[in-house]
Formats: sequence, C-alpha cells, structure tokens
Amino acid sequence: DIQMTQSPSSLSASVGDRVTITCQASQDISNYLNWYQQKSGKAPRLLIYDASNLERGVPSRFSGSGSGTDFTLTISSLQPEDFATYYCQQYDNLPRTFGQGTKLEIK
Amino acid sequence: QMQLQESGPGLVRPSQTLSLTCTVSGGYVSSGDYYWTWIRQHPGKGLEWIGYIYHSGITYSKPSLKSRVSISLDTSKNQFSLKLSSVTAADTAVYYCARESLGLGEFLGLDVWGQGTTVTVSS
Repeated sequence: DIQMTQSPSSLSASVGDRVTITCQASQDISNYLNWYQQKSGKAPRLLIYDASNLERGVPSRFSGSGSGTDFTLTISSLQPEDFATYYCQQYDNLPRTFGQGTKLEIK
Repeated sequence: QMQLQESGPGLVRPSQTLSLTCTVSGGYVSSGDYYWTWIRQHPGKGLEWIGYIYHSGITYSKPSLKSRVSISLDTSKNQFSLKLSSVTAADTAVYYCARESLGLGEFLGLDVWGQGTTVTVSS
C-alpha cells in the first residue's frame, strides 16, 4: 500500500493567517491526490482533486499543488469555518489510502 | 443532487457479521460514472478506505480486510451494501458510504458522502 504522510499533525492558527499543510507519498503518484476537509461529527468534504483542481462550491482561498511525491494544501486567509481536520488521499494505486490527518485549531 | 444514506444495526456482537446498506437517491447505482465506496473511521482516528464496487459488479477491497469483506450492488433497490464478517471490537467505527466520480475516464474524488453510521461491536 502507498503510505501518505501529512505534516504537521496539528496546527494552531488565527483567522486571516495563511496556512500550508503538506502530504508526502511513499512513491510517485503523479497528480493523483485529493484533499478533504472534515468537521467534527460530519462526513468529509472533497476540496481538491487531481492535486490542484478546486471542487465546485469550494472557496477560492483553498488551493492545492504538487506532483510526484510531495503535495501541499494552502488556505490563503483562514476563516472561522476552516477550523477542521484535513486529509489527503491518493488514488494512483489500490487500495486508496489517506494521510493521518492534520487538525487545524484556533490559536 | 445525489444523496447517500447508510443504514444498518448500530450494535453487532463479536464474531458476527456486520451488514450495512447505502441507499442512493437522485441517481442510479447502475451508472457507469461512479465507483460506490465504503470508508470507515475508528473513534478519534483517521479515515480508512475499505473498498468499492462498480456498476459492472467489479469489486476491490483493501487486502487486509479482503477475506472478511463483501461489497454488493442491488440495482432494483438502488442500493449497495457492505458485509464484514467475524467482527471484533477493532471493527467499531463510523462507516461511511461515498461515491467516487469518474469524468472522461479519470477519477474525480469522493465527492458525495453519506452522513455516516456508528457501528459498535460488543457483547
């Protein structure tokens, strides 16, 4: 299985901050990477697919980049509703695998 | 707007079989545009992909669970199902069904999810 490693595991930030979360794959996955946001007690929500494509309805302050083994999710200006846990997921190989998650908390 | 809804027992005895159903509304499980997927989340932990089924009946399950997992499709009821046999406390989790969309032959992510259902394995 492809291992996905996110960093940091948790992050404290303030409203208005620019935040970057990284995800590293254990092997080359091209651009076959998605990002999800999960709020407490809710199902995950797709934010980014194909490493850099914004899902419909997702605010433009979210962006994704990277290819190969190294990827980033950036939130340009944190809003109160962005405090949540974020997961990357590869779909280059089966089984699909997720990163362990990055919990974004209010400073 | 497609919606997915999980259903099934919230409590399963150890060594028994966990059975969950995902009912699809606003679309059809017979569509070739989606892979129908099961994911679970252990309490306080991250997401674990379990497996999927395609309208053709092709399935794939995570190897570590494969011997215990069965995923099936019922087009007459517009549902897909998960069976996990010989459960233990380690199978206690929130179980989600989701669709993985295909567009122009490419995967577009798990873009619609059910709300999740909590399954506890306990005697």
